Amino acid sequence: EVKLLESGGGLVQPGGSLRLSCAASGFTFNNYAMTWVRQAPGKGLEWVSTISGATSYADSVKGRFTISRDNSKNTLYLQMNSLRGEDTALYYCARGTLDHDYWGQGTLVTVSS
Amino acid sequence: SYELTQPPSVSVSPGQTARITCSGDALPKEDAYWYQQKSGQAPVLVIYEDSKRPSGIPERFSGSNSGTMATLTISGAQVEDEADYYCYSADISGNLLYVFGTGTRVTVL
Repeated sequence: EVKLLESGGGLVQPGGSLRLSCAASGFTFNNYAMTWVRQAPGKGLEWVSTISGATSYADSVKGRFTISRDNSKNTLYLQMNSLRGEDTALYYCARGTLDHDYWGQGTLVTVSS
Repeated sequence: SYELTQPPSVSVSPGQTARITCSGDALPKEDAYWYQQKSGQAPVLVIYEDSKRPSGIPERFSGSNSGTMATLTISGAQVEDEADYYCYSADISGNLLYVFGTGTRVTVL
């Protein structure tokens, strides 16, 4: 059974940093691209970043967030620096690039003083 | 920045057909994907590559893409189809960037 489990969310002050993790199981992790998607409270879905052979980022996070993966640990990461209030959201990891057939349940990031 | 535009809401009676549009300049050359998100839940893929349906998705869900508009059709909508629906596609730049549509709330009552 495919599972994606996010962790690492929490309350952080503006300008602070946080690292999210997504532990994957039930599939051959290094065979798949992985993506982070976020959803601000009461708002729509926003693509954040994807890692396949290369990495790509939404303009809203480029230069502040870094996506990475450790295939030996079947884990996806999102390092988030210089956090802003508008980064407050539920962060999901999802398998694939466009055809996200599996999603985690999300980890909540709140940026507030 | 590139945008995919959807109507904010669509309302249908049970058994009727709901059509949700998604407009974007890159859609003539990029596939559209559709996600259903029910309240408090993670999104679920309902259509991929414009018109393909993942296993387990009811046949009443179908998709099409023509010109700069993709359409998700729910034929014979059920009460359980009430949810937010998002289209999703690659950015017009071709630089491995992706974008979700603005989202459509479908009400079945």
